[in-house]
Amino acid sequence: KAGVTQTPRYLIKTRGQQVTLSCSPISGHRSVSWYQQTPGQGLQFLFEYFSETQRNKGNFPGRFSGRQFSNSRSEMNVSTLELGDSALYLCASSLDSVGADTQYFGPGTRLTVL
Amino acid sequence: AQSVTQLGSHVSVSEGALVLLRCNYSSSVPPYLFWYVQYPNQGLQLLLKYTSAATLVKGINGFEAEFKKSETSFHLTKPSAHMSDAAEYFCAVTPPGNTPLVFGKGTRLSVIA
Repeated sequence: KAGVTQTPRYLIKTRGQQVTLSCSPISGHRSVSWYQQTPGQGLQFLFEYFSETQRNKGNFPGRFSGRQFSNSRSEMNVSTLELGDSALYLCASSLDSVGADTQYFGPGTRLTVL
Repeated sequence: AQSVTQLGSHVSVSEGALVLLRCNYSSSVPPYLFWYVQYPNQGLQLLLKYTSAATLVKGINGFEAEFKKSETSFHLTKPSAHMSDAAEYFCAVTPPGNTPLVFGKGTRLSVIA
């Protein structure tokens, strides 16, 4: 089975721009979660989608949004980029539950905001 | 609310020596506990998880962890370190149900030849 894929792998944007990141989960997985990883804050949960509905949400401003499509693929969008948004954004998929079911992570998208 | 504390942001061991990475958690209910490993420029890979079955959990690559409720700990061990074990290790906790994982800050393991 193919693993979780994320595109693009690297992005460079400037402040004020917006960006869309894409995640394709493992076939058959219905839950997709997004995390932000930075050296200072570590891994922080952004949101989780299950069957096209946001099921969980982390403590991030409204500039961060996401969606899930009927084929379980997910996108996250960050509007009005700030320097502090520079991070590795990780997507993870699981069969159903984000707890008991193993989450499989993609390689991440490295976003640099200049 | 759940939280995870990983003692030591950086641990250095000699090749062949015991690896011990510490994780303490805080949870209001019996939790699920996880250890993940991250190699440079890669995502996270699950090493092992505890979901209220056996308290000693064996994972991949020779790693294991023991759930100790009285100490609220879930330390990761490996009897003999290999150079390929050099990576960042994350402990995570979640209560049963559809609640997101809460990760510790991570411990970077260096293995010295």
